[in-house]
Amino acid sequence: DTGVSQNPRHKITKRGQNVTFRCDPISEHNRLYWYRQTLGQGPEFLTYFQNEAQLEKSRLLSDRFSAERPKGSFSTLEIQRTEQGDSAMYLCASRSPPGGGETQYFGPGTRLLVL
Amino acid sequence: AQSVAQPEDQVNVAEGNPLTVKCTYSVSGNPYLFWYVQYPNRGLQFLLKYITGDNLVKGSYGFEAEFNKSQTSFHLKKPSALVSDSALYFCAVRDEEAAGNKLTFGGGTRVLVKP
Repeated sequence: DTGVSQNPRHKITKRGQNVTFRCDPISEHNRLYWYRQTLGQGPEFLTYFQNEAQLEKSRLLSDRFSAERPKGSFSTLEIQRTEQGDSAMYLCASRSPPGGGETQYFGPGTRLLVL
Repeated sequence: AQSVAQPEDQVNVAEGNPLTVKCTYSVSGNPYLFWYVQYPNRGLQFLLKYITGDNLVKGSYGFEAEFNKSQTSFHLKKPSALVSDSALYFCAVRDEEAAGNKLTFGGGTRVLVKP
């Protein structure tokens, strides 16, 4: 069990550029979550996958945001036409299949700074 | 809807003294409750959870929490704080009956343990 990994750990971009983040969940965890955390706040839910199906999206996830989990393993989160307000820590978490426990395990996060 | 309140932005305690971090919640159904800790520039690290059973749950690093249904609280406690416990602590809740699986987090409480 190597834990949840996220890449890159840090990303600096200019406003208007597109960025993509990757999350590799704990192996055999079929449920994967994305959260966003701004400075001084708790994480806020963005979206949730069960296997490759995206089952829930927050209203925070504007049409500039898209997430995929094509093979039910790793996931990507893309932000198009970034804005300064997108600057935040993006956290990924995974959870085992039903019956395996309720705990979501978090990765180290990707810190995004939009200039 | 589910929500969490952490009424204290910061808690200061002397090393060796008891530590308490407060959390209250609101859900429609039965709550699943969690505590996470976050160190600077790191992801969230799971401490403990209440799903069902004994109201007093024990977790990692000597932490424990007491579920109180009548007061809708889930306070985190440690009998003897260490300087290394200085970090940001988050309480989170999931409504058992909610269709989604997302966690809702409180705003966090910064703990400062002074030598």
